[in-house]
Amino acid sequence: AQTVTQSQPEMSVQEAETVTLSCTYDTSENNYYLFWYKQPPSRQMILVIRQEAYKQQNATENRFSVNFQKAAKSFSLKISDSQLGDTAMYFCAFMKGNFGNEKLTFGTGTRLTIIP
Amino acid sequence: DVKVTQSSRYLVKRTGEKVFLECVQDMDHENMFWYRQDPGLGLRLIYFSYDVKMKEKGDIPEGYSVSREKKERFSLILESASTNQTSMYLCASSPRSYPSSYNEQFFGPGTRLTVL
Repeated sequence: AQTVTQSQPEMSVQEAETVTLSCTYDTSENNYYLFWYKQPPSRQMILVIRQEAYKQQNATENRFSVNFQKAAKSFSLKISDSQLGDTAMYFCAFMKGNFGNEKLTFGTGTRLTIIP
Repeated sequence: DVKVTQSSRYLVKRTGEKVFLECVQDMDHENMFWYRQDPGLGLRLIYFSYDVKMKEKGDIPEGYSVSREKKERFSLILESASTNQTSMYLCASSPRSYPSSYNEQFFGPGTRLTVL
């Protein structure tokens, strides 16, 4: 079974600073996908960024980027130039790579607060 | 825009009651999921359905059942509600295509269930 660990229950940073959220996972699979989801206060969960394990290049989406270290089983999220709208719960998630098995295993989440 | 709706935002029930949580998606997605979200535990998968009338147990199916009679609707049933089922319940849907990494899960707003 897969496990996903987020060791930072809460973080806070000043607006415009850069913040990195940590995520480690444990799996015996070689083909898999990793995701970061964002849950703003009282709003729906949305996908922030995804990474295919077979790709060495780290995924980026505007101010969001990941540092994917496959050997270390680490998948951290970096938010640059943080904005007040980035305040949310952030969940790291794992999915096996075999087609037809689209279940996600989530970490326990990191509550991020951006301070004005 | 993909829309996943849940029948109630807040629900209060009594111990022993039968509880129905409804989820509807409008994007013709094959996959639908029910999670419960608890502080410090993240999201845990209760049940998963990849087609009409098909279901698979997730990580915590005890005390729950599901029904999927139509593609767009996925119901979670608490046969006899207990206080330890007080939680936030999230529904999600995703397409089923290859590669699986593009099968992003879209979430509903959640139902906060309190069992007294």
